[in-house]
Amino acid sequence: EDKVVQSPLSLVVHEGDTVTLNCSYEVTNFRSLLWYKQEKKAPTFLFMLTSSGIEKKSGRLSSILDKKELFSILNITATQTGDSAVYLCAVEDTGSARQLTFGSGTQLTVLP
Amino acid sequence: DGGITQSPKYLFRKEGQNVTLSCEQNLNHDAMYWYRQDPGQGLRLIYYSQIVNDFQKGDIAEGYSVSREKKESFPLTVTSAQKNPTAFYLCATKHRGVQETQYFGPGTRLLVL
Repeated sequence: EDKVVQSPLSLVVHEGDTVTLNCSYEVTNFRSLLWYKQEKKAPTFLFMLTSSGIEKKSGRLSSILDKKELFSILNITATQTGDSAVYLCAVEDTGSARQLTFGSGTQLTVLP
Repeated sequence: DGGITQSPKYLFRKEGQNVTLSCEQNLNHDAMYWYRQDPGQGLRLIYYSQIVNDFQKGDIAEGYSVSREKKESFPLTVTSAQKNPTAFYLCATKHRGVQETQYFGPGTRLLVL
């Protein structure tokens, strides 16, 4: 059974801090790892990672995948209150349906 | 206005009732998915459909049913057999393609009275 574990479960920081969110996984047939941001409603897509060691970057957010050690990190620099959300990590398998298995998420709270 | 719509936004159900959650998309995506999210937990897959008139069970299909009569629509029925239906339900769609990801609708929050 595929498994995704995220840590920490919750994190409280102040504006301007840098945070690192962790995601480890066990997947029989790995295709990709995805990060989503969820603010009360629908998760919104952040990154899709398929190759080890290649950093993906979008503004203050960046992410990298290590397929040997089976984990990924999501970094947020110079955090803002608008970054407060649940960050979800999911792994996608190679089956025709390309199912996603989600972790339980990291609740990030950024205080002013 | 393109996208994924889910209705209603909030739904109250009495015990023993069946209720149907709507998911409609005009993105021309092939695959559609239903997830359930409980507080403090990630999303769990209920059912998915890759093509019209075909669907498969996910990890927690018991007590739920779906249909896919049209490409645009994938309604989910929560039956009375689902003993703990209070949750946030999310519909997602995906276009066929290696680099495509799943995109989510705004969700329906179901509460059993």
